[in-house]
Amino acid sequence: DAKTTQPTSMDCAEGRAANLPCNHSTISGNEYVYWYRQIHSQGPQYIIHGLKNNETNEMASLIITEDRKSSTLILPHATLRDTAVYYCIAHLYQGGSEKLVFGKGTKLTVNP
Amino acid sequence: ETGVTQTPRHLVMGMTNKKSLKCEQHLGHNAMYWYKQSAKKPLELMFVYNFKEQTENNSVPSRFSPECPNSSHLFLHLHTLQPEDSALYLCASSQERRYTQYFGPGTRLTVL
Repeated sequence: DAKTTQPTSMDCAEGRAANLPCNHSTISGNEYVYWYRQIHSQGPQYIIHGLKNNETNEMASLIITEDRKSSTLILPHATLRDTAVYYCIAHLYQGGSEKLVFGKGTKLTVNP
Repeated sequence: ETGVTQTPRHLVMGMTNKKSLKCEQHLGHNAMYWYKQSAKKPLELMFVYNFKEQTENNSVPSRFSPECPNSSHLFLHLHTLQPEDSALYLCASSQERRYTQYFGPGTRLTVL
């Protein structure tokens, strides 16, 4: 899987949009960009994923640059419950081997 | 609620004990996974089962023994563990191996 780079931590005011960046400059053409988050001591929660096009669901939006070397996860109206570690993962299932690799992620703190 | 449950949520055991962790998924998925998350370390994939067959073992010590009796249940049998095995053990499932993984809440294991 391609290596991803994320800021260690970010802060956001409650009610504002949280924009979490991720760099994946070595991503291959058939690797998906996945986002998960993990609230302290709980299991990771799937948020969204995409390949080339921007994606939106009830939780967030995913903006992928045209060259696919970076992406941004957008939480449109952050709440205190969105405080968590957010993981950006470039994932390819190939050759019978599972390689969903979680890095250190971004610790997002939503402040009142 | 993710549809993946794990029991127990917390477990304290001595090094000579034998215990088992249980995972159950109610999502109709065919692939199930065990991950380990040690303090301040990224998630590490341990085992993968696809249609009840073990397809991946990432060099996990034999004191960890997985069992998958059917597509909905996954166990991790533990015996003669070491204190360094203390961690959050996470179960996940996906429709098939190439698809999005959904995680359970985890079992916090402490080995004394």
